[in-house]
Amino acid sequence: GAVVSQHPSWVICKSGTSVKIECRSLDFQATTMFWYRQFPKQSLMLMATSNEGSKATYEQGVEKDKFLINHASLTLSTLTVTSAHPEDSSFYICSAVAGGPSNEQFFGPGTRLTVL
Amino acid sequence: AQSVAQPEDQVNVAEGNPLTVKCTYSVSGNPYLFWYVQYPNRGLQFLLKYITGDNLVKGSYGFEAEFNKSQTSFHLKKPSALVSDSALYFCAVRDGAGGSYIPTFGRGTSLIVHP
Repeated sequence: GAVVSQHPSWVICKSGTSVKIECRSLDFQATTMFWYRQFPKQSLMLMATSNEGSKATYEQGVEKDKFLINHASLTLSTLTVTSAHPEDSSFYICSAVAGGPSNEQFFGPGTRLTVL
Repeated sequence: AQSVAQPEDQVNVAEGNPLTVKCTYSVSGNPYLFWYVQYPNRGLQFLLKYITGDNLVKGSYGFEAEFNKSQTSFHLKKPSALVSDSALYFCAVRDGAGGSYIPTFGRGTSLIVHP
């Protein structure tokens, strides 16, 4: 199946700093990628839909100036958490749509962000 | 609108026994249904999907799911559970008739298989 990678897999940063998370589709082109946030023992919360070459579409309640998304190519989307605070600590997961009739999503392994 | 419900937060089963993780859904058009598994601190792994065709879908690691249109259900099953099956399981649904391909995920069911 299609492979999606995320980097870094975990990151610890100080409050007030910015953190960039990369999501790559390794063996296919993805015109659309999704960014999710997951709290412990909870379901995935869709944050935004990232389309190559255009602005991301954010879900209600997600601050677009806080969570900057860039989808510069068909294989790379980045999520930057700006001026991170402890409440931004979470597990961030990206997924990429491989196309086809079912438009199946393939998920990255996730990034654990801890803000001190 | 589309929604999915996983009524059980946790399912406990003894190793070797059959397991069932329940999922019901609601969509306006034809449902595209998915099951994913998540191990601790990992992303979601695809298990199986139903798009069309046979109601019984077979997937990875010996899992299968049965699409039941009249009951709007898509329960995940396995004949003989393994301790290594212990993980968080997510059901997801997408409206196949709609233009959006953003699925809705259930809240997840924690499966615990006891030795």
